[in-house]
Amino acid sequence: QKEVEQDPGPLSVPEGAIVSLNCTYSNSAFQYFMWYRQYSRKGPELLMYTYSSGNKEDGRFTAQVDKSSKYISLFIRDSQPSDSATYLCASDTGRRALTFGSGTRLQVQP
Amino acid sequence: DVKVTQSSRYLVKRTGEKVFLECVQDMDHENMFWYRQDPGLGLRLIYFSYDVKMKEKGDIPEGYSVSREKKERFSLILESASTNQTSMYLCASSTGIGTGELFFGEGSRLTVL
Repeated sequence: QKEVEQDPGPLSVPEGAIVSLNCTYSNSAFQYFMWYRQYSRKGPELLMYTYSSGNKEDGRFTAQVDKSSKYISLFIRDSQPSDSATYLCASDTGRRALTFGSGTRLQVQP
Repeated sequence: DVKVTQSSRYLVKRTGEKVFLECVQDMDHENMFWYRQDPGLGLRLIYFSYDVKMKEKGDIPEGYSVSREKKERFSLILESASTNQTSMYLCASSTGIGTGELFFGEGSRLTVL
């Protein structure tokens, strides 16, 4: 079993839709949770960063962590065509390198 | 502007060749990483380094080695390339192991024939 599981998609939504991207993880020692966004033919870039459980909001993006169910979510409000990318969740205990999910490809249709 | 530069965007090599993938960062970061990215498998950690001349194996180190002679440079070496090493290779750097933001290069697409 992979330590971080993510539905690969692709997920296709119309412009303006609310997008929900999800991951599950198995290692209860994970404390740091991140979402990276990767555009085609580019390296991933950090989008959101949270520590432990709770919500974090940044503009149209909200990251949510539920440690009791080992569930990580990213919500995108008012999605735009420029949000079309692959979204990767990542976690770590803070003592080693990040463990990534397989990524979900999102396509926002204009 | 922070920058991680990978020397080659696209490489084509033959089975058995020795392959060097070079990565340079200009942010004075202590930590550097090599991942490979494959469809359906995501990013998998090959090796990482938290100091000059220090290295640690990641999850899939077999068939790879690394070199870090200078702080800003981290090289991935395929001693004898095989077709199952055809992949996208991503280099990254950070200030913290596991907790700091990773800054990635644009990737090196390696094809082994």
